[in-house]
Amino acid sequence: QVQLVQSGAEVKKPESSVKVSCKASGGTFSSHAIRWVRQAPGQGLEWMGTIIPILGIGNFAQKFQGRLTITADKFTSTAYMELSSLRSEDTAVYYCASDGYCSGGSCYSIDAFDIWGQGTKVTVSS
Amino acid sequence: SYELTQPPSVSVSPGQTARITCSGDALPKQYAYWYQQKPGQAPVLVIYKDTERPSGIPERFSGSSSGTTVTLTISGVQAEDEADYYCQSEDSSGTWVFGGGTKLTVL
Repeated sequence: QVQLVQSGAEVKKPESSVKVSCKASGGTFSSHAIRWVRQAPGQGLEWMGTIIPILGIGNFAQKFQGRLTITADKFTSTAYMELSSLRSEDTAVYYCASDGYCSGGSCYSIDAFDIWGQGTKVTVSS
Repeated sequence: SYELTQPPSVSVSPGQTARITCSGDALPKQYAYWYQQKPGQAPVLVIYKDTERPSGIPERFSGSSSGTTVTLTISGVQAEDEADYYCQSEDSSGTWVFGGGTKLTVL
């Protein structure tokens, strides 16, 4: 089964940027979407944005307008989430999730986001 | 903006049935999804499209829908089911919305 492997923990200064990667290990994203979700300490889940790597299009939550960039490299099946102008409230665990993959000539999807990365902890502190 | 409302907490004894509700105006038109999250772990999808159960999820997990409310039911609750549970849906533009989460305590 394909796993989503995210980049390691980051510690960033306020006003800087962070870029988190999410790679499909053992397969490809194919036509499936990647969503980014974050969770601040002791808080609930918050959707940030979505991208369909094969098309390079997506959308994002309005609250991140101007600060969030979501991209993907369909050739390496790696998605990226970059958040700029970081503030302390951005301290959180960031997750990527996918609704399917292709591997070994076959594709899997239940049309739901059941494949999640392990999470990347981002700490914003001066 | 679209909101989903869950009770903050639910408590049950082992072997009993736990029901966690999620209310939202768009739920009659949009599917709901349920995620289980244990401390320090990524969310796990336990119910999708209101009532479907992914492969590998125990049969004691089930979902139902009625009007503006969807319900996650865990029959014969086990200690390992203690976790936070989140409902999720989306609006017509594809924007995801999560409920605030429900902490299930197994007494």
